[in-house]
Order: sequence, then C-alpha cells, then structure tokens
Amino acid sequence: DAGVIQSPRHEVTEMGQEVTLRCKPISGHDYLFWYRQTMMRGLELLIYFNNNVPIDDSGMPEDRFSAKMPNASFSTLKIQPSEPRDSAVYFCASREGPGTYEQYFGPGTRLTVT
Amino acid sequence: ILNVEQSPQSLHVQEGDSTNFTCSFPSSNFYALHWYRWETAKSPEALFVMTLNGDEKKKGRISATLNTKEGYSYLYIKGSQPEDSATYLCAFNTGNQFYFGTGTSLTVIP
Repeated sequence: DAGVIQSPRHEVTEMGQEVTLRCKPISGHDYLFWYRQTMMRGLELLIYFNNNVPIDDSGMPEDRFSAKMPNASFSTLKIQPSEPRDSAVYFCASREGPGTYEQYFGPGTRLTVT
Repeated sequence: ILNVEQSPQSLHVQEGDSTNFTCSFPSSNFYALHWYRWETAKSPEALFVMTLNGDEKKKGRISATLNTKEGYSYLYIKGSQPEDSATYLCAFNTGNQFYFGTGTSLTVIP
C-alpha cells in the first residue's frame, strides 16, 4: 500500500482565498483524522471520521473550516476564506479500527496564507 | 480536552550518551499509550504501543515503559546516535481518539 496520500504537499495562497486539502487514507482503514501542527499548540486534532461519518469536529477552529468524506477513499478539508493565522502543516492520518490499532500519518500539507 | 505533557521540551546530548524523557497523561479513560518518532519534514512514525501497566517495549536501542496508575511513560535511548535526532511524540489513546503531547526534540551532537 502507498500509505496515506495527501495533496498538495505545499500550498501558498492569499488571504481570503478558498483552500482545499485532500487526503486518501490507507485502503481498508475505517478511521480518518485531520490534524493541524503549529509551533504553539503542537499536533491538534481538528476532526475525525469513522466509516465516512464525522464523529467529533470539536477541534475545528471556526466556521471557516469544513471537512467532508464522501467515500471511504477520499476526504477534503476546506478553509474558506483563508487567513494568515491558518498557516500550518495539516496532517491526515488513518486507522484500521479502534482500540490499539495504530494511526498512520500522511506526509502533510504545508499551507502558507499571505 | 485531555492534557498530555512531555518533558523536557528539548534535549541536546553527545553521541554515545544515554537519555530518557517523560510523557505524563491522565490516569482515567486510558486505553493505550503510543510513542512516535518524528523527523523534520516527514510524518510521525509509530515506535511503540503499550496498553498494560508495567508494559515494557524495546526496539533496538530504544525502549519504553508504562505506568498507568500514576500516568506516565518513559522513553529511553541507549547510546544515542546522530540519526536518533528527531522529535519524540507520545499519544494518549482513549480507544477512539489520540491526544498528542507537544513532543521532546532530541538533538544528538556528533
């Protein structure tokens, strides 16, 4: 398996623009997580899905952020409109199941909003 | 939000030195404790998962212990090498969600 795939790897955009980050989880994994990494807060969970259904989105900063998982092999994280404080590395991770199953991380998307 | 703390925040050691760092977590809602190794510009890679109080895991020169009653885990690196330089993350697993610490950044000086 190719592992968790994220695109783009780098995104530079201007304030106010819409940004869409994409993730393809490992095939057969039922859980998908979106994280944001910042210097101040480390790795923080934004939202996670189980069987394509959003379970906990309490980490989503505000209404400008939205996430979808239309099928088992694809998820998007959208920021509209983007702001400079959204600049961070966004990681997607997937797990086969609950319990002690390990999380596998994608390579991340480095977002810069100018 | 569960509080997972790691200390120290950063560490510089000489090549060949042994070192250890700590992950503290809540003693309730515990399911498992995970350690990850995270190199700059890469994604976190799993090192260990531990579930039982008293668990010890070892992979080469790296080992970890778990105390669920008092809520801490230690990660040990014996005879540190420059390639061990990375951030070491712990994650508290409630069964569904992972709560990550902010990591210990290790630099091994040749």
